[in-house]
Amino acid sequence: AQKVTQAQTEISVVEKEDVTLDCVYETRDTTYYLFWYKQPPSGELVFLIRRNSFDEQNEISGRYSWNFQKSTSSFNFTITASQVVDSAVYFCALSEAPFLGAQKLVFGQGTRLTINP
Amino acid sequence: EPEVTQTPSHQVTQMGQEVILRCVPISNHLYFYWYRQILGQKVEFLVSFYNNEISEKSEIFDDQFSVERPDGSNFTLKIRSTKLEDSAMYFCASSARTVTEAFFGQGTRLTVV
Repeated sequence: AQKVTQAQTEISVVEKEDVTLDCVYETRDTTYYLFWYKQPPSGELVFLIRRNSFDEQNEISGRYSWNFQKSTSSFNFTITASQVVDSAVYFCALSEAPFLGAQKLVFGQGTRLTINP
Repeated sequence: EPEVTQTPSHQVTQMGQEVILRCVPISNHLYFYWYRQILGQKVEFLVSFYNNEISEKSEIFDDQFSVERPDGSNFTLKIRSTKLEDSAMYFCASSARTVTEAFFGQGTRLTVV
């Protein structure tokens, strides 16, 4: 069975600090996909990144970076020089490669990130 | 930029009534999904839909729920007889291929009273 754990329920930092959101996953499949989504106060879910299980290269996009480590089943997300606009709930999600049909995302509980000015 | 559109943004209904939540997925996408999020909780998968049929459904998606793609653009979720516990934010999503990222709509907040 698939499971995603985001142990940090809430994080609060001061603007310009770096912050890392942890994500640990469980799956029996060797092929799977990991995602991060952002849910700002307005409520929509915004796609941030997708990573497949064969690609362990870390990724950087502006102030965002992601660290994928299969050895520890983790896919952590770091925001560098945080800004107030980064305040949101962040969800990590996992999808196993479907044999037929469409994917099914399994979400973690989410981490509520508050950036204080 | 193409986006998934959901209507209405907020729906209040009485217990036992039928509701239909509507979604217009991104036009060239082939896979469609409904998820829900009870207030303050995680997002949960309800159903996936491909090639005019359900691909997979969760335990939540019981006989009270149904999905339909009535024409080439809309994708609907019907709840036949709403219960108080159906109150949640319902998200529609679509993806181009089976393992590409799913793009979500802004959600419909359903309140059952």
